[in-house]
Amino acid sequence: EPEVTQTPSHQVTQMGQEVILRCVPISNHLYFYWYRQILGQKVEFLVSFYNNEISEKSEIFDDQFSVERPDGSNFTLKIRSTKLEDSAMYFCASVRDRSSYEQYFGPGTRLTVT
Amino acid sequence: GENVEQHPSTLSVQEGDSAVIKCTYSDSASNYFPWYKQELGKGPQLIIDIRSNVGEKKDQRIAVTLNKTAKHFSLHITETQPEDSAVYFCAAHANFGNEKLTFGTGTRLTIIP
Repeated sequence: EPEVTQTPSHQVTQMGQEVILRCVPISNHLYFYWYRQILGQKVEFLVSFYNNEISEKSEIFDDQFSVERPDGSNFTLKIRSTKLEDSAMYFCASVRDRSSYEQYFGPGTRLTVT
Repeated sequence: GENVEQHPSTLSVQEGDSAVIKCTYSDSASNYFPWYKQELGKGPQLIIDIRSNVGEKKDQRIAVTLNKTAKHFSLHITETQPEDSAVYFCAAHANFGNEKLTFGTGTRLTIIP
């Protein structure tokens, strides 16, 4: 069964450093998302992406964040200058097409900013 | 925007008993309500969902009910087993399939053997 994959599973970085989190959505899916989950809290929406453009972003997704689909398979989230409060699990998700509702999540990347 | 409330935050049930988790939502435009199971260190796994045009959906031991008038929906797990122990999240979204999900705060379900 196809699944969303994410790398790395755990990333440790120092405050102020740039990080890139990578995702490979399910093949043939057209809509992509990033969510984050601070330890012990609920999953929060960051950004949605379709047709090489951001569809919607939350107030969390400020100028320090960017997303990109550099090729036909990868979907990346970049944080330019990490802060301590960026420490969280970051999940990628994908949806097949406009008529589909089911969002399938990857296993996540745990980002630790020290 | 949408706000989803979820109760209880923790729930312990004896193996074999039933578990019920409840959610309410605020946006009457919401029309899709999935439930996710999250095991320790893993991503949310979609276990069942319901669209606003039906009131109930069942899949083996899991069922979801929806009351659009009252804006609440519930997850029912019958004949619980130890592997049902996890954190369960409800979510909602409106309009088309590409909309973001708004999640509830989660319920930690523990099945007591």
